[in-house]
Amino acid sequence: EAGVVQSPRYKIIEKKQPVAFWCNPISGHNTLYWYRQNLGQGPELLIRYENEEAVDDSQLPKDRFSAERLKGVDSTLKIQPAELGDSAVYLCASSPGQSGNTIYFGEGSWLTVV
Amino acid sequence: AQSVTQPDIHITVSEGASLELRCNYSYGATPYLFWYVQSPGQGLQLLLKYFSGDTLVQGIKGFEAEFKRSQSSFNLRKPSVHWSDAAEYFCAVAPGGSQGNLIFGKGTKLSVKP
Repeated sequence: EAGVVQSPRYKIIEKKQPVAFWCNPISGHNTLYWYRQNLGQGPELLIRYENEEAVDDSQLPKDRFSAERLKGVDSTLKIQPAELGDSAVYLCASSPGQSGNTIYFGEGSWLTVV
Repeated sequence: AQSVTQPDIHITVSEGASLELRCNYSYGATPYLFWYVQSPGQGLQLLLKYFSGDTLVQGIKGFEAEFKRSQSSFNLRKPSVHWSDAAEYFCAVAPGGSQGNLIFGKGTKLSVKP
């Protein structure tokens, strides 16, 4: 069974440029998460989807970050414009949805803003 | 607010020695508790989880953790460390009995000496 797939794995951009990350969750997983992991820190939740609905986006900086999960499968996280402080690893994760089920993480998209 | 504390930023142990990684959480009720491992350049992999019942839980790769309510702790242990265990370990809590928003500690980096 394929795991959570993310792309690109690595991205270097100049500040003020836009960037987008894509995530394909494990087949059949209704719940999808985007986490951000700063260097030397644990991951922090940005947004959680149940199917195509964003049920928790309280930690998403909405002035520059946006996300979508059309058709309740793949998801895209966008930053526009990027700032130096956005340099981090962006982790996508998915789970079957019921409480108690394991959350599976992708390998992450490493963003460097210069 | 809920929080997770991992007091040790970096630990070095000799191969074959025992290991204990500390984790303390702050939460009014009994949360769901997790330990994840992250190898360099990789996503997070679940080692084990505690929801209820037996306070000593077994995980993958020979790891175990013990939930101690009186100490608000969920320490990770392994009787004999292998060089391949070198990685970063994250303790996480899911308040409210839901995995909807995992709150991670800052992680403990484990180095293994030959």
